[in-house]
Amino acid sequence: EDQVTQSPEALRLQEGESSSLNCSYTVSGLRGLFWYRQDPGKGPEFLFTLYSAGEEKEKERLKATLTKKESFLHITAPKPEDSATYLCAVQASGSEKLVFGKGTKLTVNP
Amino acid sequence: GAGVSQSPSNKVTEKGKDVELRCDPISGHTALYWYRQSLGQGLEFLIYFQGNSAPDKSGLPSDRFSAERTGGSVSTLTIQRTQQEDSAVYLCASSQTPAGYEQYFGPGTRLTVT
Repeated sequence: EDQVTQSPEALRLQEGESSSLNCSYTVSGLRGLFWYRQDPGKGPEFLFTLYSAGEEKEKERLKATLTKKESFLHITAPKPEDSATYLCAVQASGSEKLVFGKGTKLTVNP
Repeated sequence: GAGVSQSPSNKVTEKGKDVELRCDPISGHTALYWYRQSLGQGLEFLIYFQGNSAPDKSGLPSDRFSAERTGGSVSTLTIQRTQQEDSAVYLCASSQTPAGYEQYFGPGTRLTVT
């Protein structure tokens, strides 16, 4: 069974304090790994797709990396507006659905 | 362009009643998905449409749940004889093609069964 585990469940940072979120996965052949951001009361907002080990993608203060067993979302010099829940999901080969982790709730204090 | 829209945004219903939730995908997106997000739980896949066909219904939790899609566009998720455990946020997503492409989510419908 495909599984995604995210850690930590919650993370509090001071503005400017860089950190990383972890997404560990087991999947029967990875088609893609996806990162989303979700604000309270809203639907998930797409951030990145990673397809193969060694791949990296960046967007503003966020950088996503992928290995054969896990993905990291690195946040550099975060701002309060980066506060949100970050969701990781995998899509297995031969499947169209996304399997999600439970997310990491990030709070950035000014 | 316009994103995925869902209606209603909130729905309160009594146990035992039927409810219909609607999803309008991004124009031109052929794939459409329904997920459910319960308090403290991750997003849970329900059903996937390619065009008007549903090749994967594996996530529907019981036969009280059904969904259809018409004209390759709008989709309706129907829950019959609602139960309290059906209370959740129901999210719809669409993508250009299924395999490996990002899914874009709507704002969700919050369903409360009293």
